[in-house]
Amino acid sequence: AQTVTQSQPEMSVQEAETVTLSCTYDTSESDYYLFWYKQPPSRQMILVIRQEAYKQQNATENRFSVNFQKAAKSFSLKISDSQLGDAAMYFCAYRSGQTSGSRLTFGEGTQLTVNP
Amino acid sequence: ETGVTQTPRHLVMGMTNKKSLKCEQHLGHNAMYWYKQSAKKPLELMFVYSLEERVENNSVPSRFSPECPNSSHLFLHLHTLQPEDSALYLCASSQGSTAAQFFGPGTRLTVL
Repeated sequence: AQTVTQSQPEMSVQEAETVTLSCTYDTSESDYYLFWYKQPPSRQMILVIRQEAYKQQNATENRFSVNFQKAAKSFSLKISDSQLGDAAMYFCAYRSGQTSGSRLTFGEGTQLTVNP
Repeated sequence: ETGVTQTPRHLVMGMTNKKSLKCEQHLGHNAMYWYKQSAKKPLELMFVYSLEERVENNSVPSRFSPECPNSSHLFLHLHTLQPEDSALYLCASSQGSTAAQFFGPGTRLTVL
């Protein structure tokens, strides 16, 4: 079974600075997808960024980028120029690429605080 | 309406009540999911429906009963729940095996 581990229960960053959230995962599959989701106080789960395992290039979405190290099974999220609205719980998630409708396996989450 | 909607947003029920949670997706997706989010625990997958057929039942107690009448709607029927079932219930949908899942706002359930 796949597992996802986020070793940082809480992180904080100053507004306008950069922060990196860590995620590691364990799988025996070669075809899979990785995601970062953000859950603000409203509890709405919002997709931040996704990475296909077969792509070597790291995904980027505006101020959000990932460092995908497939051999190390590491998938960290970098937030540049942090804004107050980035404050949320961030979840790393894994999904098998083998079948339609397959599950997302989530990590425990990292609570990010952005200080003005 | 756009995206994934869930009703009600908040629900308080007694252990002997019967209630239903509703999820509707307006994205044209072909798979829908129920997740449970309890305090201080990772999200737990409960059920998966793909093309209106249940493809996964993740050892969920029978007091939770899902229903997927068509590709746009998903229900979670609740009966004789326990206080430990109090949680945020999230619905999600996706298209195909490669797509990300998009979530609704959740239903905050409290069982007294």
